[in-house]
Amino acid sequence: RKEVEQDPGPFNVPEGATVAFNCTYSNSASQSFFWYRQDCRKEPKLLMSVYSSGNEDGRFTAQLNRASQYISLLIRDSKLSDSATYLCVAITSNTGKLIFGQGTTLQVKP
Amino acid sequence: EAQVTQNPRYLITVTGKKLTVTCSQNMNHEYMSWYRQDPGLGLRQIYYSMNVEVTDKGDVPEGYKVSRKEKRNFPLILESPSPNQTSLYFCASSLSRQGAVRRGANVLTFGAGSRLTVL
Repeated sequence: RKEVEQDPGPFNVPEGATVAFNCTYSNSASQSFFWYRQDCRKEPKLLMSVYSSGNEDGRFTAQLNRASQYISLLIRDSKLSDSATYLCVAITSNTGKLIFGQGTTLQVKP
Repeated sequence: EAQVTQNPRYLITVTGKKLTVTCSQNMNHEYMSWYRQDPGLGLRQIYYSMNVEVTDKGDVPEGYKVSRKEKRNFPLILESPSPNQTSLYFCASSLSRQGAVRRGANVLTFGAGSRLTVL
């Protein structure tokens, strides 16, 4: 079983839709979490950090559920420019190891 | 501009011909790391460095070497490249080591990527 798992998708949604991705992690020692966005053939860029129970940044909301060991990313009012791959990342505090999920691909259609 | 610069961006080479992919950051970051990204496998860590002269293996270090003689540079060396090392490579850095508690200190900044093809 992978340490950080994501549904690879693709998720195909119309403009304006609300879409949610889940990411599960297997190591209960994971302490810090992030969502990165990666456009095709480009470098990943930080979208959001998730340090506590969750946080919101405009149309994007990240939630952390430590009991069930998953984090989620909610995108409201999807834009065409949101089309990308979203990478979930977990850091294990005791090893300092950073683990990437495979990514979830989102395609927003007009 | 704060950035991570890696070169070359694209390279086609042949089996066995030694090559080096350079990585440099101008943010005075302690932590640097190399990843490779392959379809269906996601990002996998090759080597990382917590600070100058300190390097450690990641998940897929075989066939690679690194060095950290200066804080800003972290070159990736393929002594004898093979076709299974054909991949997209990313260098990344963060202010402090991964696992540090300081909020924001372990956010990674990535280079633009180096696409390597080994024939």
